[in-house]
Amino acid sequence: NAGVTQTPKFQVLKTGQSMTLQCAQDMNHEYMSWYRQDPGMGLRLIHYSVGAGITDQGEVPNGYNVSRSTTEDFPLRLLSAAPSQTSVYFCASSPGEVLQETQYFGPGTRLLVL
Amino acid sequence: GNSVTQMEGPVTLSEEAFLTINCTYTATGYPSLFWYVQYPGEGLQLLLKATKADDKGSNKGFEATYRKETTSFHLEKGSVQVSDSAVYFCALSGPSGGYNKLIFGAGTRLAVHP
Repeated sequence: NAGVTQTPKFQVLKTGQSMTLQCAQDMNHEYMSWYRQDPGMGLRLIHYSVGAGITDQGEVPNGYNVSRSTTEDFPLRLLSAAPSQTSVYFCASSPGEVLQETQYFGPGTRLLVL
Repeated sequence: GNSVTQMEGPVTLSEEAFLTINCTYTATGYPSLFWYVQYPGEGLQLLLKATKADDKGSNKGFEATYRKETTSFHLEKGSVQVSDSAVYFCALSGPSGGYNKLIFGAGTRLAVHP
């Protein structure tokens, strides 16, 4: 049982480049989300999805796009990377929308934008 | 809006010492409260949770009690081990911000030495 997987583990980009961070889960969870982790700020919600075909913005959505075409996958796209997007990105999933249920996190993607 | 405040780290303890990490929150109504732990190089794992006032969450020797009167959810452990060295995050969800969104504190790094 792989749980939540993220690729790549580490990426270096130049300003203005685009890329997609991949996230997949094999637990048939409806709810998936993306967070970024910055020093001294904890984790902040970027985007989330309550099921295939449904996405919504979190606290810091600017500069990021998401889509949810399948239950398993929830990719995060950076259309034009900026140094302010240097961060560690975590994907998470849970069985349902109500977060009293446990949320499972992936191992993270470390992104450096030069 | 909802927010979480944690004591700043790092917290450095000797093995078998008593641990307290303070967490207070601001929220309307009755949020659910969580402690997550992040071991070096890994994603976050749920450590414990409490969904209503006066509930006590516990796991792996850690405990935290949901105190509505003081809006607090302090993490405690009676005897820490070197393997407890990690970053600990306090978090809440709902009700005004939605139960599908986690709000995290900044995190507290714990270092336990032999």
